[in-house]
Amino acid sequence: GAVVSQHPSWVICKSGTSVKIECRSLDFQATTMFWYRQFPKQSLMLMATSNEGSKATYEQGVEKDKFLINHASLTLSTLTVTSAHPEDSSFYICSAMDRNTEAFFGQGTRLTVV
Amino acid sequence: DAKTTQPPSMDCAEGRAANLPCNHSTISGNEYVYWYRQIHSQGPQYIIHGLKNNETNEMASLIITEDRKSSTLILPHATLRDTAVYYCIVRVAPGSNDYKLSFGAGTTVTVRA
Repeated sequence: GAVVSQHPSWVICKSGTSVKIECRSLDFQATTMFWYRQFPKQSLMLMATSNEGSKATYEQGVEKDKFLINHASLTLSTLTVTSAHPEDSSFYICSAMDRNTEAFFGQGTRLTVV
Repeated sequence: DAKTTQPPSMDCAEGRAANLPCNHSTISGNEYVYWYRQIHSQGPQYIIHGLKNNETNEMASLIITEDRKSSTLILPHATLRDTAVYYCIVRVAPGSNDYKLSFGAGTTVTVRA
């Protein structure tokens, strides 16, 4: 299947700082990317959907000013967690697809805010 | 508003077939059945999908009932590496403007030696 690369795999940051997570589609052009968050022992929760060149569509309850999503090219989307706090510690996962493929997932980023 | 119902957990023996059920009684005519799995601390992995015909690939087989209200994912020879959470998802086909992958609780499958 197609390859989606997420970076970094894990990150530890201080409370109040911002963290950027990158999601790249390596062998296809991703017209749509999705960002999920997963807390321990829970399922994936969709945070937002982004289409290349457009503003992201956020799910209800997800703060768009806190979780900044940029999808500037067909192979790259970024999620920036701004002013991170310990409650933002979670496993963040991206998914990418083009118009006619299945969704493929990155390996996830473990964020720990201390 | 869950679209699928799966048992929370199941055990199976290594080398035996694992049959994972999924109920999707409210599935629409244009919705496919997709299966993904998530091994601990990794991103989900696509397994298989189907509309109404049974499907098979190198990983698994998917059996969909004639009324499409339920399906079964079959791992023909389970190995310890198949231990994961398996998600059954119904969604419209790629290319639709209303494409989202929403995950339920899934089934935690434990393969035992």
